[in-house]
Amino acid sequence: DTGVSQDPRHKITKRGQNVTFRCDPISEHNRLYWYRQTLGQGPEFLTYFQNEAQLEKSRLLSDRFSAERPKGSFSTLEIQRTEQGDSAMYLCASSSPGTRAYEQYFGPGTRLTVT
Amino acid sequence: DQQVKQNSPSLSVQEGRISILNCDYTNSMFDYFLWYKKYPAEGPTFLISISSIKDKNEDGRFTVFLNKSAKHLSLHIVPSQPGDSAVYFCAAWPEPNAGKSTFGDGTTLTVKP
Repeated sequence: DTGVSQDPRHKITKRGQNVTFRCDPISEHNRLYWYRQTLGQGPEFLTYFQNEAQLEKSRLLSDRFSAERPKGSFSTLEIQRTEQGDSAMYLCASSSPGTRAYEQYFGPGTRLTVT
Repeated sequence: DQQVKQNSPSLSVQEGRISILNCDYTNSMFDYFLWYKKYPAEGPTFLISISSIKDKNEDGRFTVFLNKSAKHLSLHIVPSQPGDSAVYFCAAWPEPNAGKSTFGDGTTLTVKP
């Protein structure tokens, strides 16, 4: 399977705990994106990387959120001190740079439930 | 403010008929527009795109129309098939190499056999 993979697929945590999600992009893609999606809404952009450089972050990405892509391959998204409002689907996507960078390939997502 | 809007949360059509999904945007800086399809428990799948220099792009049963003056785009599916039943999102980019895209809230299409 050469698609985008995300781990775990589901995560249930208690308020105040830290969680970390992993995304493995398509191997030849050097762009990686994180989105958050809540019920009834479209994906909301959180941040994106080109190789290991984090090039843009949304204002949605509060101080409790941090994303890394240390070697330009997989990426992690960490949420510290989770709140109930963090419950959502977290989607990762990857693409190639250039004129078709907008053709993003999405993973299946990690569904986070904060109790 | 929501810069990309899909005003119809749901649409139901008969198999074999045309499905028309609509999307409006407010930001004139958007230059590329895309449609994604999403099945339950899966991530969105890229379907078709159009740049602002065109008013139509066709790929098999899927055609996207862009009306820049009205800031409106639509996705036509002809003929509709039950396997097309999914949530459809439109998304906009300011340029093809930009990092940030803006999505609408989606339209759930149901194609009845």
